[in-house]
Amino acid sequence: NAGVTQTPKFQVLKTGQSMTLQCAQDMNHEYMSWYRQDPGMGLRLIHYSVGAGITDQGEVPNGYNVSRSTTEDFPLRLLSAAPSQTSVYFCASSRKGNQPQHFGDGTRLSIL
Amino acid sequence: AQKVTQAQTEISVVEKEDVTLDCVYETRDTTYYLFWYKQPPSGELVFLIRRNSFDEQNEISGRYSWNFQKSTSSFNFTITASQVVDSAVYFCALSEDGYGGSQGNLIFGKGTKLSVKP
Repeated sequence: NAGVTQTPKFQVLKTGQSMTLQCAQDMNHEYMSWYRQDPGMGLRLIHYSVGAGITDQGEVPNGYNVSRSTTEDFPLRLLSAAPSQTSVYFCASSRKGNQPQHFGDGTRLSIL
Repeated sequence: AQKVTQAQTEISVVEKEDVTLDCVYETRDTTYYLFWYKQPPSGELVFLIRRNSFDEQNEISGRYSWNFQKSTSSFNFTITASQVVDSAVYFCALSEDGYGGSQGNLIFGKGTKLSVKP
């Protein structure tokens, strides 16, 4: 079982560029989410999804888009990268809400 | 509003010492869930425990134990006889029995960095 797979592991962007962070899970989990981790801030929820075709905003959604066309995939799009989006991004999934979440290994993103 | 506070930013102990990591939470829900996650230096997040608000029994798993007290809104984590491999950042998190599918959304504390020295 691969669990939750995030790609890429590292990425450097220039301000204004767009990119998509990929997240895939092979556990048939309904719930998926994206968090960002900044030094001294813990993890903060960006967007989440409770199933294919259903997404909603978390605590810090501005500048990010998501979609969930399949149960397995939950990509996170940065529309126009800004230095404030420099962070480590984690994707997570769980069978249902409130079940323990499985996290991917993270994507370290730097915006210059 | 919901909130998780981990007042200890960093703790340093010597191997074999016992150490307790504090977690205080705020929520208006009567049904909620509390979690602990471990983030070792390699960066991944590892699930340790989940507790629901109706189960106040303490839990022990090997050298790890958790003390849940609703009266003080605390969910503290104790490592007995700490080892160097316990060095990590530990996060406490809360999820509420929300609406519209938000039940899975985790509110994290800022984490406690534990350093265990040989």
